[in-house]
Amino acid sequence: DAGVTQSPTHLIKTRGQQVTLRCSPKSGHDTVSWYQQALGQGPQFIFQYYEEEERQRGNFPDRFSGHQFPNYSSELNVNALLLGDSALYLCASSPVTSGGRYEQYFGPGTRLTVT
Amino acid sequence: AQSVTQPDIHITVSEGASLELRCNYSYGATPYLFWYVQSPGQGLQLLLKYFSGDTLVQGIKGFEAEFKRSQSSFNLRKPSVHWSDAAEYFCAVGAMGRYGGSQGNLIFGKGTKLSVKP
Repeated sequence: DAGVTQSPTHLIKTRGQQVTLRCSPKSGHDTVSWYQQALGQGPQFIFQYYEEEERQRGNFPDRFSGHQFPNYSSELNVNALLLGDSALYLCASSPVTSGGRYEQYFGPGTRLTVT
Repeated sequence: AQSVTQPDIHITVSEGASLELRCNYSYGATPYLFWYVQSPGQGLQLLLKYFSGDTLVQGIKGFEAEFKRSQSSFNLRKPSVHWSDAAEYFCAVGAMGRYGGSQGNLIFGKGTKLSVKP
C-alpha cells in the first residue's frame, strides 16, 4: 500500500518565478492538506482540499494556490516566489470520518530553495 | 487561539535512559492530540494520537503519552531510548472551528530535537 508521495524531491527556483508541487494521497484517502515547514520550525498549515475544493485555508497569501483532481491528487502552486518561501513543503492525506477524528499521513516533502 | 508549546528545543539523553518530551496546548475543549517524529530530511511519521477515553495512549516504537486535562499537557515518554530515536519530535493539536467542529488541519509546536549519547 503506497503512502503519500510527493514530487519533486528537491527544487531550486529564482525569485519571482512560479513553482508547482505535486502530491498523491495514500490509498483510500480523499482529503489533502499542504503545510510549509521553514527551517527549525514546525509545519504551518497552508490549505486543505476535499472534493476538488479548498475547504480550509491558513494564513498564507493568495500567491499560494492549489488544486485537487478527481483522483484526489493535488498540486500546490506558488507564484512570484520570495526568498522567504524557501522551505520544506509537506503534503498530508486523510480520510474523512465523522467528527473529524482523522490523523494525517505525511509525505516525504519537497524541499524548495529560492535564490 | 489554539496553540501548542514545546518548551524544550533540544534534549540530550543517554542510550538506555528514560525520556519525557513536554507538550502543552491551549484549547478550550477536549482536543485531538498527536505526536509526530521527523528524521532529518524526512516527512512526519505519526507516533500516537489521543481523541478521547483512556488518557494514557500507546504508540509505535515503544512510545506512550499521557493526556492531563488539568495541566493542558500531553507529554511523550519512552522508558528506554535507543540511538535510532534521535530525531525531531512534534506535538500537534487538531484545529477546531469557532463552533467546535473540526477544521481538519493540525497546529504544530516548534518541535524538540532529541539527541542520544552512546
